[in-house]
Amino acid sequence: EAGVTQFPSHSVIEKGQTVTLRCDPISGHDNLYWYRRVMGKEIKFLLHFVKESKQDESGMPNNRFLAERTGGTYSTLKVQPAELEDSGVYFCASSQGGGRTYEQYFGPGTRLTVT
Amino acid sequence: AQSVAQPEDQVNVAEGNPLTVKCTYSVSGNPYLFWYVQYPNRGLQFLLKYITGDNLVKGSYGFEAEFNKSQTSFHLKKPSALVSDSALYFCARMDSSYKLIFGSGTRLLVRP
Repeated sequence: EAGVTQFPSHSVIEKGQTVTLRCDPISGHDNLYWYRRVMGKEIKFLLHFVKESKQDESGMPNNRFLAERTGGTYSTLKVQPAELEDSGVYFCASSQGGGRTYEQYFGPGTRLTVT
Repeated sequence: AQSVAQPEDQVNVAEGNPLTVKCTYSVSGNPYLFWYVQYPNRGLQFLLKYITGDNLVKGSYGFEAEFNKSQTSFHLKKPSALVSDSALYFCARMDSSYKLIFGSGTRLLVRP
């Protein structure tokens, strides 16, 4: 069974440009999460999808970030326009159920560098 | 307020010796606690979780963790460390809305 995949693995863009990150969850997982780790600090939650609906987007830092999950399959996270402080590693995770007993399976992450 | 704390940035241990990676939490009620490991250039891998029941939880790769409610701790342990265990370890708790709240991570270095 394929795990969570993310594309690209690395992205280097200039301040003010736009970047779109993609996440493909494990097949059959309705729950999809985005997290990020900035500047070697804690990994922090961004948002949670259940199928195509945003269940919780309380961690989204500002309106420069837009997440979508069309059809309830893969998800994209767009940063527009990118700022220097957006640099970090963006992780996607998925889980089979939404309850607290279900572990979340993580992808390898996308390392974003904004120069 | 920090709800998951990993007090050590790095832990050094010799191969074959027991290892402990510390984690404490601050939350009322019953916590849902997890350990993840990140190997170089890889994603986070689930190691083990505590939901309820036995305080000693066994996980992947010979790791185990002990839930201690009185000390609000969930330390990760392994009886005999391997060089291949060298990685970044994250403790996390799941809140009521199912998001994971992570500690800052502890780098484990196992020397031959």
